[in-house]
Amino acid sequence: AQSVSQHNHHVILSEAASLELGCNYSYGGTVNLFWYVQYPGQHLQLLLKYFSGDPLVKGIKGFEAEFIKSKFSFNLRKPSVQWSDTAEYFCAVRNTGGFKTIFGAGTRLFVKA
Amino acid sequence: DTGVSQNPRHKITKRGQNVTFRCDPISEHNRLYWYRQTLGQGPEFLTYFQNEAQLEKSRLLSDRFSAERPKGSFSTLEIQRTEQGDSAMYLCASSYSGGRETQYFGPGTRLLVL
Repeated sequence: AQSVSQHNHHVILSEAASLELGCNYSYGGTVNLFWYVQYPGQHLQLLLKYFSGDPLVKGIKGFEAEFIKSKFSFNLRKPSVQWSDTAEYFCAVRNTGGFKTIFGAGTRLFVKA
Repeated sequence: DTGVSQNPRHKITKRGQNVTFRCDPISEHNRLYWYRQTLGQGPEFLTYFQNEAQLEKSRLLSDRFSAERPKGSFSTLEIQRTEQGDSAMYLCASSYSGGRETQYFGPGTRLLVL
């Protein structure tokens, strides 16, 4: 069965620090990959997505993620975080052509001003 | 606002009561999903509709749960004889089927069963 593992449940950073959130999935076929973000008091929003092509995907608000097929990974990065990036981040995977999306448990990021 | 909407946003009920939640998807979206999210976890898939047809149900969805999408537009999720373990956030998402399908989520309905 598919599963998604997010390595860090909580991350605390100071403003301007670099961010990398780990995500690994288990599935042998081709996949679509997503990162969603949930800001305090708001609903899940799509941050970025990968379907095919360039494995380095750029999303909103300066975030990017790199799909490394050999490592079954889709890590999220941002070179310099801001206080407003404080949120919970969810990695998700869906097999290509399927409908069922599997989410990781989330990483709660707190950015200190 | 043309996003996914859900009502009510919060529901407190006593154990054993029935509750019903509503989801209005983005108007041109033909797929609709229900998820459940508990504290410290990501959303877990419950069920999925393509137009009015319910095509998949998770094993998480016991016989007390039923979902409908009668006209292929809004959907309802009913929980009968609620239990304390049903307390969670119930999320709805919609999408348009296609090669680059992306789900858009509503704000959720937070259920507390006393």
